[in-house]
Amino acid sequence: SAVISQKPSRDICQRGTSLTIQCQVDSQVTMMFWYRQQPGQSLTLIATANQGSEATYESGFVIDKFPISRPNLTFSTLTVSNMSPEDSSIYLCSTTGGGERGYGYTFGSGTRLTVV
Amino acid sequence: DAKTTQPTSMDCAEGRAANLPCNHSTISGNEYVYWYRQIHSQGPQYIIHGLKNNETNEMASLIITEDRKSSTLILPHATLRDTAVYYCIVRVAGNSGYALNFGKGTSLLVTP
Repeated sequence: SAVISQKPSRDICQRGTSLTIQCQVDSQVTMMFWYRQQPGQSLTLIATANQGSEATYESGFVIDKFPISRPNLTFSTLTVSNMSPEDSSIYLCSTTGGGERGYGYTFGSGTRLTVV
Repeated sequence: DAKTTQPTSMDCAEGRAANLPCNHSTISGNEYVYWYRQIHSQGPQYIIHGLKNNETNEMASLIITEDRKSSTLILPHATLRDTAVYYCIVRVAGNSGYALNFGKGTSLLVTP
């Protein structure tokens, strides 16, 4: 399975600022997924990023708030823009590299964001 | 993907078997049952998957009922490091262009 390096692992940010989270994959992968995990909650899909096209956002998430870049098949970024305390969450990236039947999904180690 | 129902939380004594149930009564014939777990503050980790036969690997066993409407993940000798949230996910194999949909999962606490 693919291995993902995600950074930063955590950050504390001032409200109104933006934070960009990076995920680097050790192999070329077609799809990358970004999730949010609010305190005590399960993972919620933010968007799906396919290289060469605009990301597809889930209901409740918009590109202006969570712009995503996917410049090549090994890298993606998620920006959390104009942050408020409600954006305090763990953000995770994921990919299907390495398996086609569901067990090949791997995840980054997550970015724990606190907005003050 | 079919909907799954899991207990919110479970306890298990260290060294004993942990049996985590999952109901998926609307599962379709081409949908697999997958189990992932998330140890505190880490990314989810694949455990095991199956279609209709029981499966076993180095981490766990998966028992699927004959009608496939429910399954049980078995950790044969739970350790403190198995304390995590366990997610049962039902989905069609091969559609790797779609993300995993996580329900609420079962929070397993393994106690000394």
